[in-house]
Amino acid sequence: AQTVTQSQPEMSVQEAETVTLSCTYDTSENNYYLFWYKQPPSRQMILVIRQEAYKQQNATENRFSVNFQKAAKSFSLKISDSQLGDTAMYFCAFMNLHANFGNEKLTFGTGTRLTIIP
Amino acid sequence: GAGVSQSPRYKVAKRGQDVALRCDPISGHVSLFWYQQALGQGPEFLTYFQNEAQLDKSGLPSDRFFAERPEGSVSTLKIQRTQQEDSAVYLCASSPSRGLGNEQFFGPGTRLTVL
Repeated sequence: AQTVTQSQPEMSVQEAETVTLSCTYDTSENNYYLFWYKQPPSRQMILVIRQEAYKQQNATENRFSVNFQKAAKSFSLKISDSQLGDTAMYFCAFMNLHANFGNEKLTFGTGTRLTIIP
Repeated sequence: GAGVSQSPRYKVAKRGQDVALRCDPISGHVSLFWYQQALGQGPEFLTYFQNEAQLDKSGLPSDRFFAERPEGSVSTLKIQRTQQEDSAVYLCASSPSRGLGNEQFFGPGTRLTVL
């Protein structure tokens, strides 16, 4: 079974600064995806960024980028030029592509509550 | 276009009551997932459908939990004889197909409180 660990329950940063959220995972699989999802106070989960394990290049989406270290099983999220709208819970998630019956379920960490301070 | 919708948004049940939670996925999405999110925790997988077929129900916590998707679109999660430990937010997600690590699109959830 896979496990995902987020060791920072809460973080806060001044608006316009850069913040990095940590995530580690444990798996014996070699073919998988990693995700960061954002859950604002309204509760609807939104995909922030996705990384394919077989790609060495780190994924980027505008102000969001990841540092994917496959050997270390680490997958951190960096938010640059943080904005008030970035305030939310952030969940790291793992998807195994070799699950039975094609069930690509997500295994989530416990989340990091990020607050952007004006 | 419309996203994933869930109803009701909030449900209060007395212990022992049966409840039914509805999920309307994005039209045409093949895969549908149910997750349970306890307070302060990340979502945990309950069950998975590919069209109308329930291919994985390994996450359902007990036989009081039952899910269906009879026509391959709308899904219902039913909890019989609710217990206090069933109190959580129940999230539904859909994705267009399997394979390729497709994004899952989440609904707003149903917050269930069992008194």
